[in-house]
Amino acid sequence: DTEVTQTPKHLVMGMTNKKSLKCEQHMGHRAMYWYKQKAKKPPELMFVYSYEKLSINESVPSRFSPECPNSSLLNLHLHALQPEDSALYLCASSQPPRRGGTWGAFFGQGTRLTVV
Amino acid sequence: AQSVTQPDIHITVSEGASLELRCNYSYGATPYLFWYVQSPGQGLQLLLKYFSGDTLVQGIKGFEAEFKRSQSSFNLRKPSVHWSDAAEYFCAVVFPMDSNYQLIWGAGTKLIIKP
Repeated sequence: DTEVTQTPKHLVMGMTNKKSLKCEQHMGHRAMYWYKQKAKKPPELMFVYSYEKLSINESVPSRFSPECPNSSLLNLHLHALQPEDSALYLCASSQPPRRGGTWGAFFGQGTRLTVV
Repeated sequence: AQSVTQPDIHITVSEGASLELRCNYSYGATPYLFWYVQSPGQGLQLLLKYFSGDTLVQGIKGFEAEFKRSQSSFNLRKPSVHWSDAAEYFCAVVFPMDSNYQLIWGAGTKLIIKP
Protein backbone atom coordinates (compact mmCIF):
# COMPACT_ATOMS: atom_id res chain seq x y z
CA ASP A 1 0.00 0.00 0.00
CA THR A 2 1.70 3.20 -1.18
CA GLU A 3 -1.20 5.55 -0.59
CA VAL A 4 -1.64 8.68 1.42
CA THR A 5 -5.34 9.31 1.91
CA GLN A 6 -6.73 12.78 2.53
CA THR A 7 -10.25 13.74 3.53
CA PRO A 8 -12.30 15.60 2.58
CA LYS A 9 -11.44 16.11 -1.09
CA HIS A 10 -13.22 19.45 -1.17
CA LEU A 11 -14.13 21.85 1.63
CA VAL A 12 -15.91 25.18 1.62
CA MET A 13 -15.87 27.06 4.88
CA GLY A 14 -16.78 30.47 6.18
CA MET A 15 -14.28 32.72 7.92
CA THR A 16 -15.82 31.98 11.32
CA ASN A 17 -15.95 28.21 10.90
CA LYS A 18 -13.76 25.57 12.50
CA LYS A 19 -12.92 22.57 10.36
CA SER A 20 -10.26 19.87 10.17
CA LEU A 21 -8.38 18.21 7.35
CA LYS A 22 -7.35 14.60 7.81
CA CYS A 23 -4.49 12.55 6.40
CA GLU A 24 -3.74 8.86 6.83
CA GLN A 25 -0.95 6.58 5.65
CA HIS A 26 -0.22 2.92 6.28
CA MET A 27 3.26 2.70 4.81
CA GLY A 28 4.96 2.75 8.20
CA HIS A 29 6.38 6.18 7.50
CA ARG A 30 7.42 8.15 10.57
CA ALA A 31 7.57 11.60 8.97
CA MET A 32 4.45 13.43 7.82
CA TYR A 33 4.05 16.82 6.19
CA TRP A 34 1.50 19.49 5.40
CA TYR A 35 1.96 21.59 2.29
CA LYS A 36 -0.09 24.44 0.85
CA GLN A 37 -0.29 24.86 -2.91
CA LYS A 38 -1.74 27.85 -4.74
CA ALA A 39 -2.76 27.58 -8.37
CA LYS A 40 0.11 27.30 -10.86
CA LYS A 41 2.69 27.28 -8.05
CA PRO A 42 4.82 24.58 -6.43
CA PRO A 43 3.89 23.35 -2.95
CA GLU A 44 4.97 25.35 0.09
CA LEU A 45 5.95 23.47 3.21
CA MET A 46 3.88 24.29 6.30
CA PHE A 47 4.64 21.67 8.96
CA VAL A 48 6.71 18.54 9.45
CA TYR A 49 6.14 15.86 12.05
CA SER A 50 8.88 13.36 12.75
CA TYR A 51 8.11 10.47 15.09
CA GLU A 52 4.87 12.23 16.03
CA LYS A 53 6.68 15.35 17.18
CA LEU A 54 6.48 18.69 15.40
CA SER A 55 9.91 19.29 13.94
CA ILE A 56 9.31 22.12 11.48
CA ASN A 57 6.81 24.97 11.54
CA GLU A 58 7.44 27.29 8.62
CA SER A 59 6.10 30.40 10.34
CA VAL A 60 2.54 29.40 9.62
CA PRO A 61 -0.22 31.59 11.13
CA SER A 62 -1.82 30.21 14.27
CA ARG A 63 -5.17 29.84 12.53
CA PHE A 64 -3.61 26.61 11.19
CA SER A 65 -3.01 24.07 13.94
CA PRO A 66 -1.48 20.68 13.15
CA GLU A 67 -1.93 17.53 15.19
CA CYS A 68 -0.35 14.09 14.91
CA PRO A 69 -2.40 11.68 17.07
CA ASN A 70 -0.35 8.65 16.05
CA SER A 71 2.18 7.51 13.49
CA SER A 72 -0.47 6.95 10.80
CA LEU A 73 -2.59 10.06 11.19
CA LEU A 74 -2.05 13.76 10.65
CA ASN A 75 -4.68 16.43 11.09
CA LEU A 76 -4.79 20.12 10.25
CA HIS A 77 -7.24 22.13 12.30
CA LEU A 78 -8.53 25.30 10.69
CA HIS A 79 -10.07 28.27 12.47
CA ALA A 80 -10.87 31.82 11.43
CA LEU A 81 -9.33 31.45 8.00
CA GLN A 82 -9.10 34.20 5.43
CA PRO A 83 -10.09 34.04 1.75
CA GLU A 84 -6.40 34.10 0.80
CA ASP A 85 -6.02 30.76 2.60
CA SER A 86 -8.01 29.13 -0.21
CA ALA A 87 -5.65 26.58 -1.79
CA LEU A 88 -4.93 22.90 -2.28
CA TYR A 89 -3.65 21.42 0.98
CA LEU A 90 -1.41 18.43 0.47
CA CYS A 91 -0.31 15.84 2.97
CA ALA A 92 2.83 13.78 2.42
CA SER A 93 4.69 11.08 4.25
CA SER A 94 8.16 9.60 4.14
CA GLN A 95 10.67 7.77 6.21
CA PRO A 96 12.70 10.22 8.29
CA PRO A 97 15.90 11.23 6.53
CA ARG A 98 18.81 8.88 7.07
CA ARG A 99 22.33 9.43 5.85
CA GLY A 100 23.34 6.95 3.20
CA GLY A 101 19.79 5.79 2.59
CA THR A 102 17.37 6.68 -0.16
CA TRP A 103 14.33 8.78 0.59
CA GLY A 104 11.14 9.81 -1.09
CA ALA A 105 8.03 11.70 -0.09
CA PHE A 106 4.62 10.35 -1.09
CA PHE A 107 1.74 12.77 -1.47
CA GLY A 108 -1.98 12.48 -1.03
CA GLN A 109 -4.54 13.79 -3.52
CA GLY A 110 -5.07 16.93 -1.51
CA THR A 111 -8.00 18.84 -0.06
CA ARG A 112 -9.27 21.73 -2.17
CA LEU A 113 -10.16 24.39 0.40
CA THR A 114 -12.27 27.42 -0.40
CA VAL A 115 -12.76 30.09 2.26
CA VAL A 116 -15.77 32.34 1.72
CA ALA B 1 21.59 30.57 -2.94
CA GLN B 2 20.42 27.05 -3.54
CA SER B 3 17.73 26.93 -6.22
CA VAL B 4 16.00 24.79 -8.80
CA THR B 5 15.17 26.11 -12.26
CA GLN B 6 12.68 24.74 -14.73
CA PRO B 7 13.19 27.11 -17.64
CA ASP B 8 10.07 26.16 -19.56
CA ILE B 9 6.76 27.35 -18.09
CA HIS B 10 4.86 25.24 -20.58
CA ILE B 11 5.69 22.87 -23.42
CA THR B 12 3.41 21.64 -26.21
CA VAL B 13 4.11 18.25 -27.76
CA SER B 14 2.19 16.19 -30.30
CA GLU B 15 0.87 12.86 -29.14
CA GLY B 16 3.41 10.17 -29.97
CA ALA B 17 6.32 12.60 -30.10
CA SER B 18 9.27 12.53 -27.74
CA LEU B 19 9.50 14.77 -24.69
CA GLU B 20 12.28 16.39 -22.71
CA LEU B 21 11.62 18.61 -19.70
CA ARG B 22 14.55 20.55 -18.33
CA CYS B 23 15.66 20.98 -14.75
CA ASN B 24 18.79 22.70 -13.45
CA TYR B 25 19.94 23.23 -9.90
CA SER B 26 22.31 25.63 -8.26
CA TYR B 27 24.37 24.01 -5.52
CA GLY B 28 28.02 23.21 -4.89
CA ALA B 29 27.55 19.48 -4.44
CA THR B 30 25.21 16.92 -5.98
CA PRO B 31 21.77 17.08 -4.42
CA TYR B 32 19.19 14.35 -4.34
CA LEU B 33 16.91 14.83 -7.35
CA PHE B 34 13.23 14.11 -7.94
CA TRP B 35 10.56 14.51 -10.58
CA TYR B 36 6.89 14.70 -9.59
CA VAL B 37 3.81 14.90 -11.80
CA GLN B 38 0.53 16.58 -10.90
CA SER B 39 -2.63 16.11 -12.93
CA PRO B 40 -5.21 18.91 -12.72
CA GLY B 41 -6.77 19.11 -9.27
CA GLN B 42 -4.77 16.12 -8.07
CA GLY B 43 -1.92 15.44 -5.70
CA LEU B 44 1.72 14.90 -6.61
CA GLN B 45 2.99 11.55 -7.83
CA LEU B 46 6.66 10.63 -7.62
CA LEU B 47 7.92 9.70 -11.08
CA LEU B 48 11.54 8.95 -10.27
CA LYS B 49 14.45 9.95 -8.09
CA TYR B 50 18.23 10.00 -8.14
CA PHE B 51 20.49 9.62 -5.14
CA SER B 52 23.69 8.13 -6.54
CA GLY B 53 25.01 5.53 -8.95
CA ASP B 54 23.82 5.10 -12.51
CA THR B 55 23.05 8.56 -13.89
CA LEU B 56 20.19 7.30 -16.07
CA VAL B 57 17.17 6.65 -13.88
CA GLN B 58 14.05 4.78 -14.93
CA GLY B 59 10.73 5.78 -13.47
CA ILE B 60 7.07 4.97 -13.70
CA LYS B 61 4.80 5.60 -16.71
CA GLY B 62 7.71 5.14 -19.15
CA PHE B 63 9.67 8.18 -17.96
CA GLU B 64 13.40 8.38 -17.47
CA ALA B 65 15.78 11.10 -16.34
CA GLU B 66 19.48 11.65 -16.78
CA PHE B 67 21.68 13.33 -14.20
CA LYS B 68 24.52 15.35 -15.73
CA ARG B 69 26.88 16.65 -13.09
CA SER B 70 28.80 18.89 -15.50
CA GLN B 71 25.59 20.70 -16.45
CA SER B 72 23.91 20.56 -13.01
CA SER B 73 20.91 19.12 -14.79
CA PHE B 74 18.35 16.38 -14.30
CA ASN B 75 16.21 16.38 -17.44
CA LEU B 76 13.10 14.23 -17.74
CA ARG B 77 12.46 12.32 -20.96
CA LYS B 78 9.83 10.11 -22.53
CA PRO B 79 10.20 8.60 -26.01
CA SER B 80 6.51 8.81 -26.95
CA VAL B 81 3.95 10.85 -25.04
CA HIS B 82 0.33 9.92 -24.57
CA TRP B 83 -2.59 12.31 -24.10
CA SER B 84 -2.80 11.17 -20.48
CA ASP B 85 0.67 12.66 -19.85
CA ALA B 86 -0.79 16.17 -19.97
CA ALA B 87 -0.06 17.53 -16.49
CA GLU B 88 2.21 19.80 -14.48
CA TYR B 89 5.69 18.43 -13.89
CA PHE B 90 7.81 19.54 -10.94
CA CYS B 91 11.50 19.00 -10.45
CA ALA B 92 12.61 19.04 -6.81
CA VAL B 93 15.86 18.58 -4.95
CA VAL B 94 17.01 17.83 -1.44
CA PHE B 95 20.36 19.20 -0.42
CA PRO B 96 22.25 16.54 1.56
CA MET B 97 23.49 19.01 4.15
CA ASP B 98 19.88 19.70 5.12
CA SER B 99 19.20 17.17 7.87
CA ASN B 100 15.46 17.78 7.46
CA TYR B 101 15.52 16.81 3.78
CA GLN B 102 13.29 19.72 2.79
CA LEU B 103 12.23 19.54 -0.84
CA ILE B 104 13.26 22.59 -2.88
CA TRP B 105 10.89 22.91 -5.82
CA GLY B 106 11.19 24.21 -9.32
CA ALA B 107 8.37 26.40 -10.61
CA GLY B 108 6.92 23.58 -12.68
CA THR B 109 6.42 22.93 -16.40
CA LYS B 110 2.96 22.46 -17.82
CA LEU B 111 2.87 19.79 -20.51
CA ILE B 112 0.23 20.24 -23.20
CA ILE B 113 -0.43 17.39 -25.62
CA LYS B 114 -1.64 18.13 -29.15
CA PRO B 115 -3.82 15.44 -30.68
